[in-house]
Amino acid sequence: DIVMTQSPDSLAVSLGEGATINCKSSQSVFYSSNSKTYLAWYQQKPGQPPKLLIYWASTREAGVPDRFSGSGSGTDFTLTISSLQAEDVAVYYCQQYYSSPLTFGGGTKVEIK
Amino acid sequence: EVQLVESGGGVVRPGGSLRLSCAVSGFTFDDFGMTWVRQAPGKGLEWVSGIDWNGDSTGYADSVKGRFTISRDNAKNSLHLQMNSLRPEDTALYYCARDMGVGGKSSYFDHWGQGTLVTVSS
Repeated sequence: DIVMTQSPDSLAVSLGEGATINCKSSQSVFYSSNSKTYLAWYQQKPGQPPKLLIYWASTREAGVPDRFSGSGSGTDFTLTISSLQAEDVAVYYCQQYYSSPLTFGGGTKVEIK
Repeated sequence: EVQLVESGGGVVRPGGSLRLSCAVSGFTFDDFGMTWVRQAPGKGLEWVSGIDWNGDSTGYADSVKGRFTISRDNAKNSLHLQMNSLRPEDTALYYCARDMGVGGKSSYFDHWGQGTLVTVSS
């Protein structure tokens, strides 16, 4: 199974400042045959189901603000919030869909400093 | 508007069974794979099982393999999860989600239901 490790477990950021969440996979999730990276990011606010933010490591889902961006390749990935807003307080998860079983990272809790 | 509504959760004793359902509307159900993801209280997300558009291909987490069975009824726009031999560690909120399925395999999930709570306790 591919293990997804996120860091940090939590972070506190001032409003308007940037936030960076890291995700590392235990093996590459890049498929050379189609040059695609099988990684997604989700946001989960308290009491709500997860919401898809990013897929294919860097493609923003429709309607997601452009302050959210995904980057990385191979085994190391980053979700960046360029200017934190109050509504961004949530837990963020990465997920690989390169191979079954699909696996999620442990989550990163983002709070306001 | 895409809607996914789970039902069937409840309290069950260890060793018991439950059947979860997910009623879907707002999109052509048999154009998409579907999946179940669970979240234990205060914990992270765990993929449980996925199924392709016509039910020919299914996948399971090791933790539920042999105990849970995923199925779908395209005529009724519904997804199901039959859960047998339930254990306390199966206690969680169970979400159904639309799977954007790549090449017939489970992938990422773009719409989620609100979840149904399963509690396994004596």
